[in-house]
Amino acid sequence: EAQVTQNPRYLITVTGKKLTVTCSQNMNHEYMSWYRQDPGLGLRQIYYSMNVEVTDKGDVPEGYKVSRKEKRNFPLILESPSPNQTSLYFCASSPQVQDYGYTFGSGTRLTVV
Amino acid sequence: AQSVTQPDIHITVSEGASLELRCNYSYGATPYLFWYVQSPGQGLQLLLKYFSGDTLVQGIKGFEAEFKRSQSSFNLRKPSVHWSDAAEYFCAVSRGNQGGKLIFGQGTELSVKP
Repeated sequence: EAQVTQNPRYLITVTGKKLTVTCSQNMNHEYMSWYRQDPGLGLRQIYYSMNVEVTDKGDVPEGYKVSRKEKRNFPLILESPSPNQTSLYFCASSPQVQDYGYTFGSGTRLTVV
Repeated sequence: AQSVTQPDIHITVSEGASLELRCNYSYGATPYLFWYVQSPGQGLQLLLKYFSGDTLVQGIKGFEAEFKRSQSSFNLRKPSVHWSDAAEYFCAVSRGNQGGKLIFGQGTELSVKP
């Protein structure tokens, strides 16, 4: 089944403890992106990647890192999480950036205490 | 700056009734336009998209949307709502040259009465 898989689905962590949210797609998509969803704000782009080793910042990149060493994987790294990063995170992929027919993962609900 | 407005935070309709969800965008040129649906605990699923051409766009699950340039709108419609349509709906726009970034509206939550 074609899909974007995120792990974990739920995570509670403490301030300052580094964490990684994994994202993997099995559709050979070139384009991948991370969004965060907050009540009243909709979804905002954190980072995106047009292909392997090509990443760039979205609208809210502060406090996050990403890497794209393989086409299928696009992990989101929080080096020192803070409570304002408590949010619902979505990974998305698309065949190419021009396509915009994103396939979204099921989301990761992160709570930082 | 680009923006997307979904004026209705929450809408309730009766099963079998027609539905229209509103979306207005602020943009200097014709953007790419999208509607996504998010069921509880799930990711977003693309319902339909408009890039150019015919301003009435057909999507999945019986949804359609109409692009009206003069009103800067891209409203989503369905002639007869089913209980399974209860979800949150997001309108999104893109300019096509910003690294694939979508600008999302705040969402409209749809409830369906039996």
